[in-house]
Amino acid sequence: TQLLEQSPQFLSIQEGENLTVYCNSSSVFSSLQWYRQEPGEGPVLLVTVVTGGEVKKLKRLTFQFGDARKDSSLHITAAQPGDTGLYLCAGGSDMRFGAGTRLTVKP
Amino acid sequence: GAVVSQHPSRVICKSGTSVKIECRSLDFQATTMFWYRQFPKQSLMLMATSNEGSKATYEQGVEKDKFLINHASLTLSTLTVTSAHPEDSSFYICSARTPFTGVEIYEQYFGPGTRLTVT
Repeated sequence: TQLLEQSPQFLSIQEGENLTVYCNSSSVFSSLQWYRQEPGEGPVLLVTVVTGGEVKKLKRLTFQFGDARKDSSLHITAAQPGDTGLYLCAGGSDMRFGAGTRLTVKP
Repeated sequence: GAVVSQHPSRVICKSGTSVKIECRSLDFQATTMFWYRQFPKQSLMLMATSNEGSKATYEQGVEKDKFLINHASLTLSTLTVTSAHPEDSSFYICSARTPFTGVEIYEQYFGPGTRLTVT
């Protein structure tokens, strides 16, 4: 079983600040996915990273896949209250999830 | 992105009864679907992997006789919670995996979830 550890588990910041959340594993993944989930809803796919060292940008969100394909990070620039939610990484053929980072952005 | 639907979105049932939850991939064929359970303020816990035309693979600790999974077609998987008890109350989420394209590895799209309350 490939385990994913996410950090931090909770993050509360002010609007306009930058933040980075991490997804780490001791295993190599062929790909990793990042999702955002709002209360009472299913997770929504944000991005899939496939190539070691890959960087993908989605507006103010920047996703990076580690060179060794064991870790990934999500950086949010100038966070907004609308970014509030549970951020999850997932990977492996059986699509297991990390514990998630619960982000709160205060206006 | 691809669309996955779940039905019902909310269900309340009495202890001892059975409840069926449907998961459909609306615009792609999914040979593999996954069922997750999520408790408040926690991440998703994988319950089982459902492959079209074959038996589901259950995670350790998940009772296969209690959580019956049927993946009868490439667009439909069902989860039946049998003889439900209050401790089965939870948020159940399904996902469908896109076919392997050879370029991007699998992607997975989630349904909106089903809130089950057992009284």
